[in-house]
Amino acid sequence: DGGITQSPKYLFRKEGQNVTLSCEQNLNHDAMYWYRQDPGQGLRLIYYSQIVNDFQKGDIAEGYSVSREKKESFPLTVTSAQKNPTAFYLCASSDAYNEQFFGPGTRLTVL
Amino acid sequence: ILNVEQSPQSLHVQEGDSTNFTCSFPSSNFYALHWYRWETAKSPEALFVMTLNGDEKKKGRISATLNTKEGYSYLYIKGSQPEDSATYLCASLQGGRRALTFGSGTRLQVQP
Repeated sequence: DGGITQSPKYLFRKEGQNVTLSCEQNLNHDAMYWYRQDPGQGLRLIYYSQIVNDFQKGDIAEGYSVSREKKESFPLTVTSAQKNPTAFYLCASSDAYNEQFFGPGTRLTVL
Repeated sequence: ILNVEQSPQSLHVQEGDSTNFTCSFPSSNFYALHWYRWETAKSPEALFVMTLNGDEKKKGRISATLNTKEGYSYLYIKGSQPEDSATYLCASLQGGRRALTFGSGTRLQVQP
């Protein structure tokens, strides 16, 4: 089945540790996106990539890093510089500016 | 950062009621307006993508309209059912920014 997978579903991290969230898609989409959701807020854009080997900062990129070495994969690293990393993280992909398809999300908790 | 606003923040209706929500966005450099439905424990799913002023789209009991000149879109649900309970997100794509800006959503609960 075509779709987007994210792993893990739940992730716990100690303060000061970096952690990487996985996002893979087999929809052959060029564009991929990372969003963060906090309680009572909408989706806020962290990073996005329109094509392999290229990515741009979104609205809240500080403390995060990404790579786009393959079309199918867009991993997000939450670094120790991110002051408040506990949140729900959603990955999405799209064909140009058409509708976005979302993964199931990863809930990150910093202990 | 663009300002995309949705109202109301939450809504409780009875089964069979019709309801509507509002999404407002900057009217300048408009490119597209997306609506998504996000059910609990699932991923957001696209309902509509609209680009032209005056666009009206319909999917079953759900429809949406778009006014790009004044910067708003309405989502209508006719005869709400409990399975319509979800958070409805709108998102705007403006020229010069190659990614969507999402509103904070309208949470709908339909009581049987």
